[in-house]
Amino acid sequence: QQPVQSPQAVILREGEDAVINCSSSKALYSVHWYRQKHGEAPVFLMILLKGGEQKGHDKISASFNEKKQQSSLYLTASQLSYSGTYFCGTYGQNFVFGPGTRLSVLP
Amino acid sequence: NAGVMQNPRHLVRRRGQEARLRCSPMKGHSHVYWYRQLPEEGLKFMVYLQKENIIDESGMPKERFSAEFPKEGPSILRIQQVVRGDSAAYFCASSRTSGETQYFGPGTRLLVL
Repeated sequence: QQPVQSPQAVILREGEDAVINCSSSKALYSVHWYRQKHGEAPVFLMILLKGGEQKGHDKISASFNEKKQQSSLYLTASQLSYSGTYFCGTYGQNFVFGPGTRLSVLP
Repeated sequence: NAGVMQNPRHLVRRRGQEARLRCSPMKGHSHVYWYRQLPEEGLKFMVYLQKENIIDESGMPKERFSAEFPKEGPSILRIQQVVRGDSAAYFCASSRTSGETQYFGPGTRLLVL
């Protein structure tokens, strides 16, 4: 079953923060986050394997709440280069991607 | 260190023909994943393979689609008797082990006329 992502789309100004949520009705064993720019291949951002795990690099971080079966991606002080579609992928019984969140960062 | 390679980058087929998509993983990677992306839609997991083994093919259509990752050579995604609905971008990704970072190839854009 496909995880749910929210919001579907978000528009930011440079320097603003954003949170993208990913939730599932099924038990989660891991959560993967990707970013894809139009016409390009997806780029892997991070994977969270343990409940409660938080990871981050640069100004992008993520958390995983296994009990709530959800993960959140945090983008702080957004840059123009953050624009793209963000997908979460979850590996419960099988591996599925969420529908994506389209993020646009404006100057 | 070369990244994940896919070829061809673009493939045009007529309905009923066969399409063969190739994926060479990064050096040292023995895990390969195939995904399909329809125009303006999200990524759909198709199949996960290790050398000579299919680990998870739950996202693969039961008919006309097959995948392999032989001991030597690239991973192949084969689509027999293509239909217009098969038109999509097909991405493969590779990782060193399960659960590690997946690196994506540039994709193969398949167009079925």
